[in-house]
Amino acid sequence: NAGVTQTPKFQVLKTGQSMTLQCAQDMNHNSMYWYRQDPGMGLRLIYYSASEGTTDKGEVPNGYNVSRLNKREFSLRLESAAPSQTSVYFCASSENPPGAIYNSPLHFGNGTRLTVT
Amino acid sequence: DAKTTQPPSMDCAEGRAANLPCNHSTISGNEYVYWYRQIHSQGPQYIIHGLKNNETNEMASLIITEDRKSSTLILPHATLRDTAVYYCIVRGTNFGANSKLTFGKGITLSVRP
Repeated sequence: NAGVTQTPKFQVLKTGQSMTLQCAQDMNHNSMYWYRQDPGMGLRLIYYSASEGTTDKGEVPNGYNVSRLNKREFSLRLESAAPSQTSVYFCASSENPPGAIYNSPLHFGNGTRLTVT
Repeated sequence: DAKTTQPPSMDCAEGRAANLPCNHSTISGNEYVYWYRQIHSQGPQYIIHGLKNNETNEMASLIITEDRKSSTLILPHATLRDTAVYYCIVRGTNFGANSKLTFGKGITLSVRP
């Protein structure tokens, strides 16, 4: 099993360009998440999808959109990239939805390193 | 989610047990203790989690004190590949728009040959 797969691994964009970060999981998990990691800030939740067909905003959703394409895939789109969006982006999945009585761990991909110039 | 406190770094000899402490004195009754680690340039990796009982899996053991205000992650036989940043986090069942998985700075474990 590959777990959580993210593409691309690296990307450089110019300000104003758009792009979509792809994420797929093969663990049959119900919930998927997008985080960004910046030095000194820890991981911050951008958007999540508790189950197929639903998406919700996290802590830092501005400038991003998401699509839960099916149970396996959850994409993150930057419509008009800004230098403040330079970061490492991690996709994660979990078996149970957030807020489930039985917490379930998150499984992370290896990230997409995005630079916006 | 409750805040956690970890020392910034520690080291241990290869083959020895590594005991990583974490304080979470404001933990509430429905909050779980999770441990993740992040090896340079990789995504965080789940290690173990627990509510109030001690837990063990193929990677590590988690010891939670009876008052649940602190815990210890034990890597029984540390190897060089265990060198990483280890994050102790507390996560409850309330998850809303402002929830975040707060990893903090974690503890950097260096395993020496």
